[in-house]
Amino acid sequence: TQLLEQSPQFLSIQEGENLTVYCNSSSVFSSLQWYRQEPGEGPVLLVTVVTGGEVKKLKRLTFQFGDARKDSSLHITAAQPGDTGLYLCAGGNFGNEKLTFGTGTRLTIIP
Amino acid sequence: NAGVTQTPKFRVLKTGQSMTLLCAQDMNHEYMYWYRQDPGMGLRLIHYSVGEGTTAKGEVPDGYNVSRLKKQNFLLGLESAAPSQTSVYFCAAGQHDQPQHFGDGTRLSIL
Repeated sequence: TQLLEQSPQFLSIQEGENLTVYCNSSSVFSSLQWYRQEPGEGPVLLVTVVTGGEVKKLKRLTFQFGDARKDSSLHITAAQPGDTGLYLCAGGNFGNEKLTFGTGTRLTIIP
Repeated sequence: NAGVTQTPKFRVLKTGQSMTLLCAQDMNHEYMYWYRQDPGMGLRLIHYSVGEGTTAKGEVPDGYNVSRLKKQNFLLGLESAAPSQTSVYFCAAGQHDQPQHFGDGTRLSIL
């Protein structure tokens, strides 16, 4: 069974600060997705990375896939209250239609 | 979330009662999934379907049954509800190697 561990589990920071959250596994994945989930809603896809070492940017969010495709990070620059939410990573493998989800990082940005 | 609709949004059941959760998608995706989300445990896959007329077990299938009689609908049934099945249930739809699109969830409480 492939497992994804996310850290930290909870993070609360002031508006304007930078932060990084992590998604780690002992298994190799073909792709890694990051989702954000807000209260009362389902997860919404932010990005998919598929190449080891790949870096993708989405405005103030920077996503990186580890060289060995076992881990990933999400860095947020100048956090804003709108970034508040539960961040989930999910790993996939080619030929397998199922995703493995991490336990999530609950992020709170204090105005 | 556009494309995946779950009904009902909330439900309270007594132990031993049965019910069916409905999921409908309008994106013509082949794959559909049912997850449960519990505090500290992330999203766990209950059952999934790779196409009309097919279903398969996920990580936590016990106590649940599913049916995919039409491509656009995926039903999750609880034959005899137990308190351990109190959770938030999410349906998702997707294509092979593509991100999953989630509904907004059904919050189910079993008394």
